[in-house]
Amino acid sequence: QKEVEQNSGPLSVPEGAIASLNCTYSDRGSQSFFWYRQYSGKSPELIMSIYSNGDKEDGRFTAQLNKASQYVSLLIRDSQPSDSATYLCAVLTSGTYKYIFGTGTRLKVLA
Amino acid sequence: DGGITQSPKYLFRKEGQNVTLSCEQNLNHDAMYWYRQDPGQGLRLIYYSQIVNDFQKGDIAEGYSVSREKKESFPLTVTSAQKNPTAFYLCASSKPGSEAGKLFFGSGTQLSVL
Repeated sequence: QKEVEQNSGPLSVPEGAIASLNCTYSDRGSQSFFWYRQYSGKSPELIMSIYSNGDKEDGRFTAQLNKASQYVSLLIRDSQPSDSATYLCAVLTSGTYKYIFGTGTRLKVLA
Repeated sequence: DGGITQSPKYLFRKEGQNVTLSCEQNLNHDAMYWYRQDPGQGLRLIYYSQIVNDFQKGDIAEGYSVSREKKESFPLTVTSAQKNPTAFYLCASSKPGSEAGKLFFGSGTQLSVL
């Protein structure tokens, strides 16, 4: 069974701090990696996608991928209370249409 | 505007009843998906379809059925065989090779048992 694992949290950080969210995956054939943000009662929205080893930055968000260690992380700089949400890690295996989601990490940014 | 429309937003099922959740997209996407989300949990795949008239079971297909007669539509039926249907149901679509595999989600349907 291919798995994606995340710490469920909650992860609490003060406003203005860096929030670090981690995700590990079991399938070495995975090629595409995504971070979604989900507010309570709403549908997920894509924040970042990453496909090759290293870092990818977009505004306050940085995604990091290490395929050898099979983990992907999301850093949120200058965290804001509006960043408080559940962050879902998703993995897509090459040659398939099947996305596997982690259980999500709940982030709380304290004002 | 292009997007995915799910209806209804809230749905109540009586014991022994089948109910159908609607999902329509006008994004011209080939692939469509149904996910189930329980409180505090991630998304679990029920069914997915890569092309019209073809679909595959996901990890939790028992008690559910789908059809894909049109590219735009992928309805999900929750049958009476699904004994614990209360959950948030999300429909999604994607166009492999386009926008790097991004999943587009509908707004979801909350299903509850009376």
